[in-house]
Amino acid sequence: DVKVTQSSRYLVKRTGEKVFLECVQDMDHENMFWYRQDPGLGLRLIYFSYDVKMKEKGDIPEGYSVSREKKERFSLILESASTNQTSMYLCASGTLGRDEQFFGPGTRLTVL
Amino acid sequence: KQEVTQIPAALSVPEGENLVLNCSFTDSAIYNLQWFRQDPGKGLTSLLLIQSSQREQTSGRLNASLDKSSGRSTLYIAASQPGDSATYLCADTGANSKLTFGKGITLSVRP
Repeated sequence: DVKVTQSSRYLVKRTGEKVFLECVQDMDHENMFWYRQDPGLGLRLIYFSYDVKMKEKGDIPEGYSVSREKKERFSLILESASTNQTSMYLCASGTLGRDEQFFGPGTRLTVL
Repeated sequence: KQEVTQIPAALSVPEGENLVLNCSFTDSAIYNLQWFRQDPGKGLTSLLLIQSSQREQTSGRLNASLDKSSGRSTLYIAASQPGDSATYLCADTGANSKLTFGKGITLSVRP
C-alpha cells in the first residue's frame, strides 16, 4: 500500500515563527502536492512538485514556500506564520500519467 | 477554470439504503476523475479512480461512473452501513495532474 506520512498531526505555533511541515512518501512517486483545507472553502492547492528540486505554485502560494531535495520528501515552509494560516494541511503524492493521488493523515496547524 | 459542485452538502439515510452521490463539472473536458472519502479530522482516502478512457470503476459496494458529455459523475453506494458515514469528495484531474475538488457531501447512515 502507498504510504504518505506527515511529521506532525497537531502543531501549535506563535505568530511570526518559521514553521516546517514535512511529508514523506514511500512509493517513488514523481508528483507531490501540498493543500490546505478550510471549512466552507474546501481543499486548495498551495504548491506542487513534479521532480526533485522542481516546484510550481498552486492556487494560494502567498506566505508559503516549499523544498524538495529528495524524491520522497516534500516540505512546506511558512516563512512567518500568521493567524490566517491556521488550517488543516494535507500532503499528497502520485505518479505521472495515472494521476491518482494518495494523501497523508494531515497536520492541524494552529497559529496563535 | 474548472469548477466542481457536489449537492447536497449533507445527506442522512437509514442503514441498508442504496444511495447515489452526485458530482458535476463546469468544463466537460475532464481528464481523470477521483472519488475520496474523508473521516472527521483525518486525511483523504482514495476510493476510485476513473481514467480518461474509462466510464466506470467498481470496488466492493462502491461504483463510480463518469459521463463526460454531461460533465457529471456519480458514486453509488450499495446497502449502506453506519461505517460508511464520512465526507465524500470528487476531484477532476486537470492539466499537469492538478486536482480540482468539490466541497464534499457529508453522509450520515443511521443504524
